[in-house]
Amino acid sequence: GAVVSQHPSRVICKSGTSVKIECRSLDFQATTMFWYRQFPKQSLMLMATSNEGSKATYEQGVEKDKFLINHASLTLSTLTVTSAHPEDSSFYICSATGTGKLWGGNEQFFGPGTRLTVL
Amino acid sequence: AQTVTQSQPEMSVQEAETVTLSCTYDTSENNYYLFWYKQPPSRQMILVIRQEAYKQQNATENRFSVNFQKAAKSFSLKISDSQLGDTAMYFCAFQADSGTYKYIFGTGTRLKVLA
Repeated sequence: GAVVSQHPSRVICKSGTSVKIECRSLDFQATTMFWYRQFPKQSLMLMATSNEGSKATYEQGVEKDKFLINHASLTLSTLTVTSAHPEDSSFYICSATGTGKLWGGNEQFFGPGTRLTVL
Repeated sequence: AQTVTQSQPEMSVQEAETVTLSCTYDTSENNYYLFWYKQPPSRQMILVIRQEAYKQQNATENRFSVNFQKAAKSFSLKISDSQLGDTAMYFCAFQADSGTYKYIFGTGTRLKVLA
């Protein structure tokens, strides 16, 4: 149980276009979802935290107008990279945590990630 | 603010040997959770082991065990009988038992198991 999917797994787009990445919890209700960005050989950098039905909370230094996050339901959150540029190329990972302390702490379950390349 | 430090950027170990990865953290929280995650080349984050701070007993999962020293704020991971499939990045993570439940990750340790 506790499976999180991401779509697409990789995407290539032209500079100036927008790209949407979906994150779904497949077998549990995700009250909170997290979006991370990971550069090669580096750790995960938290971009934002989203709760179902409310606005996302962005970490310091993350442009909320550039990275739009929508957590419309208890199983789906989306990250839209608007007007993408080559410097937005990266590996984006989502995670989700469910209702209640089912797993001893609000353990996060991670999606497989999305590799974004902006040409 | 909480911080997590992994002081070993890279480590290697011979197959079937034992290796210990270090992690220290700083927090003023009393209740929290600690995790070790493995990230193989596929980049899928896989939970290795977790520890609740209120439990004195060290967590164990098959070949993986931790040495949790709460007073010293240390949380090391021991991998016994290392296997080639253990080759991966390992991240230590801290989660306070309050607020947003977000993780604070360390910088990671790249482990290579040698045949």
